[in-house]
Amino acid sequence: KNQVEQSPQSLIILEGKNCTLQCNYTVSPFSNLRWYKQDTGRGPVSLTIMTFSENTKSNGRYTATLDADTKQSSLHITASQLSDSASYICVVIIFGNEKLTFGTGTRLTIIP
Amino acid sequence: DSGVTQTPKHLITATGQRVTLRCSPRSGDLSVYWYQQSLDQGLQFLIQYYNGEERAKGNILERFSAQQFPDLHSELNLSSLELGDSALYFCASGDPDEQYFGPGTRLTVT
Repeated sequence: KNQVEQSPQSLIILEGKNCTLQCNYTVSPFSNLRWYKQDTGRGPVSLTIMTFSENTKSNGRYTATLDADTKQSSLHITASQLSDSASYICVVIIFGNEKLTFGTGTRLTIIP
Repeated sequence: DSGVTQTPKHLITATGQRVTLRCSPRSGDLSVYWYQQSLDQGLQFLIQYYNGEERAKGNILERFSAQQFPDLHSELNLSSLELGDSALYFCASGDPDEQYFGPGTRLTVT
């Protein structure tokens, strides 16, 4: 069964600190992996998209890594800000299939 | 602002009723995707339309149906509503490489 698992389920950190969110997937065959940010009650917004051949991709303070061999990805947030408080969702796309497989997300809370 | 619009923003209705959610995709996008997000659950893909035709189907119940009109807006019809149908319903447009999500419709079934 194609699955995407994220850890931790929730995380609380102080403003200014760094953090790393994890994503493990069993989706096969793999096309690409995306990280989305979802503010409470709003639609997800894409942060990064990585294909099979990409190991790392950055978007400002967000850096995503991908190890296609171990089927793991991480999202590293540097110098967190209060506005980073949101759910971060890992999404994997099956090659040749337009359906997205979503993880259940990590709920990140930044406290001042 | 993603450019995808959804109406209504909130909807409260009783069990057994039928509702229609509406989505207008971004200008130029031919595909519309519908998703359901229950409380503390991940997003579940329901169905995709491309230029008026059904393209892909996910975990959509038989009580639910959708269509895409010639002007490319889409409607998701939910019937015989149950308490468990209470959720956020998102519409997205774009293509497999990039999807842009609307603000969602929060449905509460009482």
